[in-house]
Amino acid sequence: DGGITQSPKYLFRKEGQNVTLSCEQNLNHDAMYWYRQDPGQGLRLIYYSQIVNDFQKGDIAEGYSVSREKKESFPLTVTSAQKNPTAFYLCASSTSSGISGAIQYFGAGTRLSVL
Amino acid sequence: AQSVTQLDSQVPVFEEAPVELRCNYSSSVSVYLFWYVQYPNQGLQLLLKYLSGSTLVKGINGFEAEFNKSQTSFHLRKPSVHISDTAEYFCAVSDRSSDMRFGAGTRLTVKP
Repeated sequence: DGGITQSPKYLFRKEGQNVTLSCEQNLNHDAMYWYRQDPGQGLRLIYYSQIVNDFQKGDIAEGYSVSREKKESFPLTVTSAQKNPTAFYLCASSTSSGISGAIQYFGAGTRLSVL
Repeated sequence: AQSVTQLDSQVPVFEEAPVELRCNYSSSVSVYLFWYVQYPNQGLQLLLKYLSGSTLVKGINGFEAEFNKSQTSFHLRKPSVHISDTAEYFCAVSDRSSDMRFGAGTRLTVKP
């Protein structure tokens, strides 16, 4: 089955710790995205990548980092600089950037909490 | 830059009643419009999309939406809801100059 796999489903972070959320897709999509979801705020874009080895900051990139070394993978690191990391994180992919009206397909999400 | 406003944060409705979830957008260029549904602790699933052509768009699970350019709206409707339609619904917009933007979501609760 083609799709987007996010892992882990639940993640706990200690103070001062960096944690990495995994996102893998086998849809052969060029573009990948990371969103943060907080209650009542919808989805806010953290980072996106339109092609391997290139990525752009979204609206709330501070305290996060990404890499795109392979087309299939777009991991997100939540660094210790992110002071309020508790949220539901969603990864998505599309055939191309959204400027062409491409549909975004989503993974099942990772819920991150602070210990 | 475009933006999306979902006018109701929560919509309670009884089973088999009709429902309308409202969405307004702002953009200075031609837009692409989407409705997604999210069930608890899951990702988003596409319900329907408007790219061009007919302004009435039909989607999955009996939902439909109408693109109204003069009112910059894309309201989602279903003539008769089921308990299983209880979920959060997101309206999204993209255009030729920028990527997809999502509304804050509307929580639809269907009561027996």
